[in-house]
Amino acid sequence: EDQVTQSPEALRLQEGESSSLNCSYTVSGLRGLFWYRQDPGKGPEFLFTLYSAGEEKEKERLKATLTKKESFLHITAPKPEDSATYLCAVPRGAGYALNFGKGTSLLVTP
Amino acid sequence: NAGVTQTPKFRVLKTGQSMTLLCAQDMNHEYMYWYRQDPGMGLRLIHYSVGEGTTAKGEVPDGYNVSRLKKQNFLLGLESAAPSQTSVYFCASEAVGNTAKNIQYFGAGTRLSVL
Repeated sequence: EDQVTQSPEALRLQEGESSSLNCSYTVSGLRGLFWYRQDPGKGPEFLFTLYSAGEEKEKERLKATLTKKESFLHITAPKPEDSATYLCAVPRGAGYALNFGKGTSLLVTP
Repeated sequence: NAGVTQTPKFRVLKTGQSMTLLCAQDMNHEYMYWYRQDPGMGLRLIHYSVGEGTTAKGEVPDGYNVSRLKKQNFLLGLESAAPSQTSVYFCASEAVGNTAKNIQYFGAGTRLSVL
């Protein structure tokens, strides 16, 4: 069965302290690796889709990269407003819906 | 921009009571989903629909029923609520097409407690 594992479960950074979140996956034929952001009390919000190893996507201070076994979400010089839970996901076997990881809870302190 | 709207936002039920959660989307999306989110478990798919009048089971369908009578609405029913159904429920919708594949738009969630 397709699986998605995220690490660390929680990460605390000082403002400006860059770091990376990891998403490792085991799927038979990757049809996309998705990153979502979830703020407390809200639903997940789409960030990126990556389809092939070596692909990169950027949005403000976030950059997502993909290898054959894992994806990284790099956060450069984070700000407190980047605090959220970051979820990665892969399509379910039938192609509908997503299998989500349990997420990384990021807290950026001033 | 309404997007995906879930009703109600909060609800407390007693064991054995029934209720219906409503999801409405105004983006003309074909696909709609119901997930539940529990601490330490992540998001899990309950049921989904790929079009008006069609529904299918997801990962954790037991104890739930769904209906998609209109394209814009997807209802999740609990016939006899159990404490194990205490959770946050999220509805999502998705457009058809390669560029939109698997990009889902979520509602704000319904927080349900079953006592």
